[in-house]
Amino acid sequence: GAVVSQHPSRVICKSGTSVKIECRSLDFQATTMFWYRQFPKKSLMLMATSNEGSKATYEQGVEKDKFLINHASLTLSTLTVTSAHPEDSSFYICSAPTGIEQYFGPGTRLTVT
Amino acid sequence: EDQVTQSPEALRLQEGESSSLNCSYTVSGLRGLFWYRQDPGKGPEFLFTLYSAGEEKEKERLKATLTKKESFLHITAPKPEDSATYLCAVQAWGDYKLSFGAGTTVTVRA
Repeated sequence: GAVVSQHPSRVICKSGTSVKIECRSLDFQATTMFWYRQFPKKSLMLMATSNEGSKATYEQGVEKDKFLINHASLTLSTLTVTSAHPEDSSFYICSAPTGIEQYFGPGTRLTVT
Repeated sequence: EDQVTQSPEALRLQEGESSSLNCSYTVSGLRGLFWYRQDPGKGPEFLFTLYSAGEEKEKERLKATLTKKESFLHITAPKPEDSATYLCAVQAWGDYKLSFGAGTTVTVRA
């Protein structure tokens, strides 16, 4: 199967700071990538669709100015959590499609203190 | 709006005790139904894609089946390493988005 990586795997930051998470497709190109958020013992909630060369599409209720997405190339999308607060603490996961299947990264655990 | 409901929420099995997980769905034109396995603290791992009613796919001790309203994931003679959360998701035609169910957490005791 296709491989998607994320960096960092874990990050702890102080309230009010910004954090950048990278998502890379290692062995294929992806014009579209997806960012999900997962709370403990809950399923994945789609936050936004990252589009190479154009603006991201955000799901209803997701703050565009708080969760900045940049799809810099056909293999890289970044999610920046701006002015993070404790309620932003969560598990963030990206995915990229190859054909019909979507492959997921290993996830990033964000803790805001 | 696409909806996916998985049952049961949790399943505790003895090693070797076969069982099935259910995924009921409503979608405006099914493009694909997907099964993923997720271990704690990790991203979902792709297992199967099913496209049309009557289709079946197998991988080791797992077998996925599909009808027009639901999908089943059968676990035959499970081992402790099959312990994980199994997620079901659907994708509609004309959309890349996946709609996920809440998952079934399977625990297999030796």
